[in-house]
Amino acid sequence: AQKVTQAQTEISVVEKEDVTLDCVYETRDTTYYLFWYKQPPSGELVFLIRRNSFDEQNEISGRYSWNFQKSTSSFNFTITASQVVDSAVYFCALITQGGSEKLVFGKGMKLTVNP
Amino acid sequence: NAGVTQTPKFHILKTGQSMTLQCAQDMNHGYLSWYRQDPGMGLRRIHYSVAAGITDKGEVPDGYNVSRSNTEDFPLRLESAAPSQTSVYFCASTKLYLGTGELFFGEGSRLTVL
Repeated sequence: AQKVTQAQTEISVVEKEDVTLDCVYETRDTTYYLFWYKQPPSGELVFLIRRNSFDEQNEISGRYSWNFQKSTSSFNFTITASQVVDSAVYFCALITQGGSEKLVFGKGMKLTVNP
Repeated sequence: NAGVTQTPKFHILKTGQSMTLQCAQDMNHGYLSWYRQDPGMGLRRIHYSVAAGITDKGEVPDGYNVSRSNTEDFPLRLESAAPSQTSVYFCASTKLYLGTGELFFGEGSRLTVL
């Protein structure tokens, strides 16, 4: 069965601290996709990144970086020099397409960045 | 472009009443889907459609119906609402199929069933 675990439910940091959001996934499929979405207090869902299972290259986008490791089934997200605007709930999601398509979101992790 | 538009944004109904949440996209996307978001549960997919005339069940379909008569619209119907269906509902679209790109989400519809 597919599963996404975001073990941290809530993290609070002070501005300019680095913070890593963990995402561990489970699937037996060899082809799958991983996503991160951000949900700020206003409620909309904002796409951050997509990775397929054949692309383990890490990615950096400004202050955001992602570390995909198939060996540990993890797709962790790091925010460097956090800012108040990073305060949001962050969701990790897994899509698998072996047989029938499945979509599983993690339960989300609430990040609060204090000034 | 408006992207994905959901209506209404808020609604209260009584147990047993019926209700349709509207979803419309103007990006010519083939894939449309409905999700519910509950505290501590993340998002869970209710139904989805890969093209007009084709719908399929997501991970939590019970109590909901959908139809897709054209590319743009994907309404979600609650035939007999229950308090357990109190939630925030999101409609989302993507161009082809689920894994190929980002999901574009609507702003959400907060539904309360008394």
